[in-house]
Amino acid sequence: AQSVTQLGSHVSVSEGALVLLRCNYSSSVPPYLFWYVQYPNQGLQLLLKYTSAATLVKGINGFEAEFKKSETSFHLTKPSAHMSDAAEYFCAVSDRIGGSQGNLIFGKGTKLSVKP
Amino acid sequence: ETGVTQTPRHLVMGMTNKKSLKCEQHLGHNAMYWYKQSAKKPLELMFVYSLEERVENNSVPSRFSPECPNSSHLFLHLHTLQPEDSALYLCASSQDRVASGGEKFFGPGTRLTVL
Repeated sequence: AQSVTQLGSHVSVSEGALVLLRCNYSSSVPPYLFWYVQYPNQGLQLLLKYTSAATLVKGINGFEAEFKKSETSFHLTKPSAHMSDAAEYFCAVSDRIGGSQGNLIFGKGTKLSVKP
Repeated sequence: ETGVTQTPRHLVMGMTNKKSLKCEQHLGHNAMYWYKQSAKKPLELMFVYSLEERVENNSVPSRFSPECPNSSHLFLHLHTLQPEDSALYLCASSQDRVASGGEKFFGPGTRLTVL
């Protein structure tokens, strides 16, 4: 079965510092991977996705993620944090086989705080 | 209206009440979903509808009853809920179940509190 592990339920960075949110996946087939962001009192918004094209994926708001098959990782990065990046971030893998094909399996989320 | 909308945004109900959550998608999609988001737990997929037909029900208690009258609207009927059902209920839609690798578009959610 596919699964996602997000390391660190809470990450705190200073404004202008590098953001690194970690995600490792488990999948028996080449995965489709997603990062979503959730601002307070809102739903989930897609940041970026990997669907077997380029391994370095660029998303909205300056975020990017690199798919590393050898490490089964899909970490999310941003060179310089803004106060507006404070939110909860979710990594997800898409189920690609069987009757649940297309279902997203989510990690538990990482809450990002940005200090002035 | 654009995207996926949900009403109400907040709902407080007693354990004996009956209420309904409404979701509408304005994206021309053919699949719709209900998710439950509880504190400290991953998002849980509750129901999947494809072309208005329920195709998945992930062992959800019968006190939750979904309804999909057309491809744009999805309801979640609630009755005799328990306090542990308090959560954020998210609706989502997609072009079809597997389009774009499974990408989903989410609504803002309904924050449900069961007293």
